[in-house]
Amino acid sequence: GQNIDQPTEMTATEGAIVQINCTYQTSGFNGLFWYQQHAGEAPTFLSYNVLDGLEEKGRFSSFLSRSKGYSYLLLKELQMKDSASYLCAAMDSNYQLIWGAGTKLIIKP
Amino acid sequence: TAGITQAPTSQILAAGRSMTLRCTQDMRHNAMYWYRQDLGLGLRLIHYSNTAGTTGKGEVPDGYSVSRANTDDFPLTLASAVPSQTSVYFCASSQLAEVLNEQFFGPGTRLTVL
Repeated sequence: GQNIDQPTEMTATEGAIVQINCTYQTSGFNGLFWYQQHAGEAPTFLSYNVLDGLEEKGRFSSFLSRSKGYSYLLLKELQMKDSASYLCAAMDSNYQLIWGAGTKLIIKP
Repeated sequence: TAGITQAPTSQILAAGRSMTLRCTQDMRHNAMYWYRQDLGLGLRLIHYSNTAGTTGKGEVPDGYSVSRANTDDFPLTLASAVPSQTSVYFCASSQLAEVLNEQFFGPGTRLTVL
């Protein structure tokens, strides 16, 4: 079956660094996506990885290991506005996204 | 640019009634999707359309139907609503189907079936 696992909730301090992990099992694999979703709002695209390694986009970075079925999202210099849910999604062989349940990130001052 | 719009924003519906959730995009994207989001679960694909005139079933299609008469509109119809269809529904689109590209989401419709 297809499965995406990520922690339900994490807490971090403003200004710190946090890493949100995601493991996936899909029928085929075409890429790993990260989305941000603030409470009551729509998901918005953050990044995707196709090849192994780290992709950096400002304060956010995403890492992929295809052999391990593993990805993480790294958020640096945390700000209060980063309080949100972070959704991991793997694109399967049919180019459909299989979504994790999301990780709720709570930022404390 | 509006991007993707959905209507209504929220709705309370009596069980057994029918309803159509509307979705319109102005980005001329080929592919469109309907998801439902329930607490503790990931987004689940209901139906999708790779291009105007074609539709396909996702993970949870039962009780829902869609049509794609043109590029911009992708309505989702519940023929006879049941309480288990209480959820937040998101419409999304992507420029192309069956390639690696990001999906853009509408603001969602919160549906309660009583």
